[in-house]
Amino acid sequence: SQTIHQWPATLVQPVGSPLSLECTVEGTSNPNLYWYRQAAGRGLQLLFYSIGIDQISSEVPQNLSASRPQDRQFILSSKKLLLSDSGFYLCAWNRDFSYEQYFGPGTRLTVT
Amino acid sequence: QQQVKQSPQSLIVQKGGISIINCAYENTAFDYFPWYQQFPGKGPALLIAIRPDVSEKKEGRFTISFNKSAKQFSLHIMDSQPGDSATYFCAASMDNQGGKLIFGQGTELSVKP
Repeated sequence: SQTIHQWPATLVQPVGSPLSLECTVEGTSNPNLYWYRQAAGRGLQLLFYSIGIDQISSEVPQNLSASRPQDRQFILSSKKLLLSDSGFYLCAWNRDFSYEQYFGPGTRLTVT
Repeated sequence: QQQVKQSPQSLIVQKGGISIINCAYENTAFDYFPWYQQFPGKGPALLIAIRPDVSEKKEGRFTISFNKSAKQFSLHIMDSQPGDSATYFCAASMDNQGGKLIFGQGTELSVKP
Protein backbone atom coordinates (compact mmCIF):
# COMPACT_ATOMS: atom_id res chain seq x y z
CA SER A 1 0.00 0.00 0.00
CA GLN A 2 1.02 3.60 -0.47
CA THR A 3 2.04 5.93 2.33
CA ILE A 4 2.84 9.63 2.30
CA HIS A 5 5.06 11.19 4.92
CA GLN A 6 5.70 14.80 5.83
CA TRP A 7 8.19 16.28 8.23
CA PRO A 8 8.51 18.02 10.43
CA ALA A 9 5.01 17.86 11.91
CA THR A 10 5.34 21.29 13.49
CA LEU A 11 7.81 24.10 13.05
CA VAL A 12 8.26 27.52 14.61
CA GLN A 13 10.61 29.79 12.70
CA PRO A 14 11.52 33.49 13.01
CA VAL A 15 10.86 35.92 10.21
CA GLY A 16 13.73 35.97 7.73
CA SER A 17 14.89 32.43 8.43
CA PRO A 18 15.05 29.71 5.74
CA LEU A 19 12.56 26.88 5.38
CA SER A 20 12.69 23.32 4.16
CA LEU A 21 9.70 20.98 4.36
CA GLU A 22 9.93 17.46 3.06
CA CYS A 23 7.40 15.06 1.63
CA THR A 24 7.99 11.48 0.55
CA VAL A 25 5.69 8.86 -0.90
CA GLU A 26 6.20 5.13 -0.47
CA GLY A 27 4.73 2.22 -2.39
CA THR A 28 4.35 3.80 -5.81
CA SER A 29 6.50 5.16 -8.60
CA ASN A 30 6.31 8.33 -10.67
CA PRO A 31 3.51 9.92 -8.65
CA ASN A 32 2.16 13.39 -9.31
CA LEU A 33 3.01 15.48 -6.27
CA TYR A 34 1.36 18.61 -4.88
CA TRP A 35 2.01 21.22 -2.21
CA TYR A 36 -0.99 23.01 -0.68
CA ARG A 37 -1.24 25.67 2.00
CA GLN A 38 -4.22 25.91 4.30
CA ALA A 39 -4.69 29.11 6.25
CA ALA A 40 -6.95 29.56 9.28
CA GLY A 41 -8.10 25.92 9.19
CA ARG A 42 -10.02 26.40 5.93
CA GLY A 43 -9.56 26.51 2.16
CA LEU A 44 -6.68 24.73 0.47
CA GLN A 45 -4.54 26.74 -1.91
CA LEU A 46 -2.46 24.82 -4.44
CA LEU A 47 1.10 26.12 -4.40
CA PHE A 48 3.08 23.74 -6.63
CA TYR A 49 2.57 20.53 -8.51
CA SER A 50 5.00 18.16 -10.16
CA ILE A 51 4.51 15.44 -12.75
CA GLY A 52 8.11 14.22 -12.61
CA ILE A 53 11.65 14.87 -11.42
CA ASP A 54 12.58 18.50 -12.03
CA GLN A 55 9.15 19.13 -13.58
CA ILE A 56 7.47 21.62 -11.27
CA SER A 57 4.75 24.15 -11.92
CA SER A 58 3.98 27.08 -9.66
CA GLU A 59 0.38 28.09 -9.20
CA VAL A 60 0.79 31.40 -7.41
CA PRO A 61 3.68 33.87 -7.11
CA GLN A 62 5.04 33.79 -3.58
CA ASN A 63 7.99 33.59 -1.28
CA LEU A 64 8.27 29.83 -1.68
CA SER A 65 9.87 27.39 -4.09
CA ALA A 66 9.65 23.65 -4.64
CA SER A 67 12.04 20.98 -5.82
CA ARG A 68 11.78 17.31 -6.63
CA PRO A 69 15.25 15.79 -6.40
CA GLN A 70 13.98 12.20 -6.47
CA ASP A 71 10.94 10.48 -7.94
CA ARG A 72 9.07 10.23 -4.64
CA GLN A 73 10.47 13.23 -2.79
CA PHE A 74 9.03 16.74 -2.89
CA ILE A 75 10.57 19.65 -0.99
CA LEU A 76 9.10 23.05 -0.20
CA SER A 77 11.61 25.79 0.55
CA SER A 78 12.02 29.44 1.30
CA LYS A 79 15.13 31.56 1.62
CA LYS A 80 13.52 34.10 3.95
CA LEU A 81 10.23 33.44 5.72
CA LEU A 82 7.53 36.08 6.06
CA LEU A 83 4.84 36.26 8.72
CA SER A 84 2.30 35.55 5.99
CA ASP A 85 3.95 32.18 5.31
CA SER A 86 2.43 30.78 8.50
CA GLY A 87 -0.08 28.03 7.88
CA PHE A 88 -0.70 24.33 7.52
CA TYR A 89 1.27 22.86 4.63
CA LEU A 90 -0.04 19.75 3.00
CA CYS A 91 1.60 17.45 0.50
CA ALA A 92 -0.53 15.23 -1.71
CA TRP A 93 -0.03 12.65 -4.44
CA ASN A 94 -1.91 10.83 -7.11
CA ARG A 95 -1.11 8.31 -9.79
CA ASP A 96 -0.69 9.54 -13.31
CA PHE A 97 -4.02 9.44 -15.16
CA SER A 98 -5.89 9.10 -11.87
CA TYR A 99 -7.93 11.80 -10.21
CA GLU A 100 -7.85 10.36 -6.70
CA GLN A 101 -5.54 12.52 -4.66
CA TYR A 102 -4.24 11.54 -1.23
CA PHE A 103 -2.93 13.91 1.40
CA GLY A 104 -0.14 13.64 3.92
CA PRO A 105 -0.49 14.50 7.61
CA GLY A 106 0.68 18.09 7.12
CA THR A 107 3.22 20.47 8.67
CA ARG A 108 2.06 23.27 10.94
CA LEU A 109 4.37 26.26 10.32
CA THR A 110 4.32 29.29 12.60
CA VAL A 111 6.48 32.24 11.63
CA THR A 112 7.17 34.55 14.58
CA GLN B 1 -14.77 30.24 -13.83
CA GLN B 2 -12.32 28.04 -11.95
CA GLN B 3 -14.07 28.51 -8.63
CA VAL B 4 -16.03 26.03 -6.61
CA LYS B 5 -18.45 27.68 -4.20
CA GLN B 6 -19.39 25.78 -1.06
CA SER B 7 -22.13 26.40 1.46
CA PRO B 8 -22.84 26.66 4.31
CA GLN B 9 -19.62 27.68 6.04
CA SER B 10 -20.74 25.95 9.21
CA LEU B 11 -23.48 23.50 10.08
CA ILE B 12 -24.85 22.17 13.34
CA VAL B 13 -26.89 18.97 13.21
CA GLN B 14 -28.39 16.80 15.91
CA LYS B 15 -27.24 13.21 16.23
CA GLY B 16 -29.24 11.04 13.87
CA GLY B 17 -30.11 13.91 11.57
CA ILE B 18 -29.16 14.52 7.95
CA SER B 19 -26.26 16.83 7.13
CA ILE B 20 -26.36 18.49 3.72
CA ILE B 21 -23.49 20.47 2.19
CA ASN B 22 -23.76 22.08 -1.21
CA CYS B 23 -21.29 23.06 -3.90
CA ALA B 24 -21.64 24.89 -7.19
CA TYR B 25 -19.27 25.29 -10.11
CA GLU B 26 -19.15 27.26 -13.35
CA ASN B 27 -16.70 25.43 -15.57
CA THR B 28 -18.53 22.67 -17.45
CA ALA B 29 -15.18 21.06 -18.29
CA PHE B 30 -14.89 19.76 -14.72
CA ASP B 31 -15.38 16.01 -14.81
CA TYR B 32 -14.47 14.76 -11.35
CA PHE B 33 -16.00 15.89 -8.07
CA PRO B 34 -14.60 14.53 -4.80
CA TRP B 35 -15.45 15.27 -1.20
CA TYR B 36 -12.80 15.34 1.51
CA GLN B 37 -13.16 15.06 5.28
CA GLN B 38 -10.64 16.78 7.53
CA PHE B 39 -10.28 16.46 11.29
CA PRO B 40 -8.43 19.18 13.22
CA GLY B 41 -4.68 19.00 12.76
CA LYS B 42 -4.90 16.23 10.15
CA GLY B 43 -4.64 16.08 6.39
CA PRO B 44 -7.86 15.83 4.36
CA ALA B 45 -9.04 12.30 3.58
CA LEU B 46 -10.86 11.36 0.41
CA LEU B 47 -14.41 10.46 1.38
CA ILE B 48 -16.36 9.89 -1.82
CA ALA B 49 -16.24 11.10 -5.41
CA ILE B 50 -18.49 11.24 -8.46
CA ARG B 51 -18.21 11.69 -12.21
CA PRO B 52 -20.83 13.73 -14.12
CA ASP B 53 -22.21 10.70 -15.94
CA VAL B 54 -24.14 9.62 -12.81
CA SER B 55 -26.61 11.58 -10.70
CA GLU B 56 -25.99 9.90 -7.38
CA LYS B 57 -23.37 7.83 -5.61
CA LYS B 58 -23.78 6.26 -2.22
CA GLU B 59 -21.17 4.80 0.13
CA GLY B 60 -22.54 3.80 3.50
CA ARG B 61 -24.09 6.85 5.16
CA PHE B 62 -22.52 9.24 2.63
CA THR B 63 -24.25 10.16 -0.63
CA ILE B 64 -23.24 12.56 -3.40
CA SER B 65 -26.09 14.01 -5.44
CA PHE B 66 -25.06 15.57 -8.75
CA ASN B 67 -27.12 17.94 -10.90
CA LYS B 68 -25.27 18.51 -14.15
CA SER B 69 -27.72 21.01 -15.62
CA ALA B 70 -27.63 23.17 -12.50
CA LYS B 71 -23.87 22.70 -12.11
CA GLN B 72 -24.33 21.73 -8.49
CA PHE B 73 -23.46 18.79 -6.32
CA SER B 74 -24.06 18.03 -2.68
CA LEU B 75 -22.98 15.72 0.11
CA HIS B 76 -25.61 14.11 2.30
CA ILE B 77 -24.62 12.45 5.56
CA MET B 78 -27.42 10.26 6.82
CA ASP B 79 -27.81 9.39 10.51
CA SER B 80 -25.12 11.93 11.40
CA GLN B 81 -22.93 10.98 14.35
CA PRO B 82 -20.70 13.05 16.66
CA GLY B 83 -17.73 11.30 15.06
CA ASP B 84 -18.69 12.93 11.75
CA SER B 85 -17.85 16.34 13.24
CA ALA B 86 -15.13 17.65 10.94
CA THR B 87 -14.53 20.08 8.10
CA TYR B 88 -15.75 18.92 4.71
CA PHE B 89 -14.39 20.15 1.40
CA CYS B 90 -15.81 19.70 -2.05
CA ALA B 91 -13.50 19.90 -5.03
CA ALA B 92 -13.47 19.65 -8.80
CA SER B 93 -10.95 18.65 -11.42
CA MET B 94 -10.69 18.25 -15.15
CA ASP B 95 -8.66 15.91 -17.28
CA ASN B 96 -6.47 18.55 -18.89
CA GLN B 97 -5.41 19.97 -15.53
CA GLY B 98 -3.14 17.07 -14.71
CA GLY B 99 -5.13 16.02 -11.67
CA LYS B 100 -5.15 19.44 -10.01
CA LEU B 101 -8.07 19.95 -7.66
CA ILE B 102 -9.99 23.19 -7.17
CA PHE B 103 -11.36 23.21 -3.62
CA GLY B 104 -14.37 24.84 -2.08
CA GLN B 105 -13.85 26.87 1.08
CA GLY B 106 -15.00 24.14 3.43
CA THR B 107 -17.89 23.49 5.78
CA GLU B 108 -17.35 22.96 9.49
CA LEU B 109 -19.85 20.33 10.61
CA SER B 110 -20.71 19.85 14.26
CA VAL B 111 -22.97 16.95 15.22
CA LYS B 112 -24.50 17.40 18.67
CA PRO B 113 -25.24 14.35 20.82
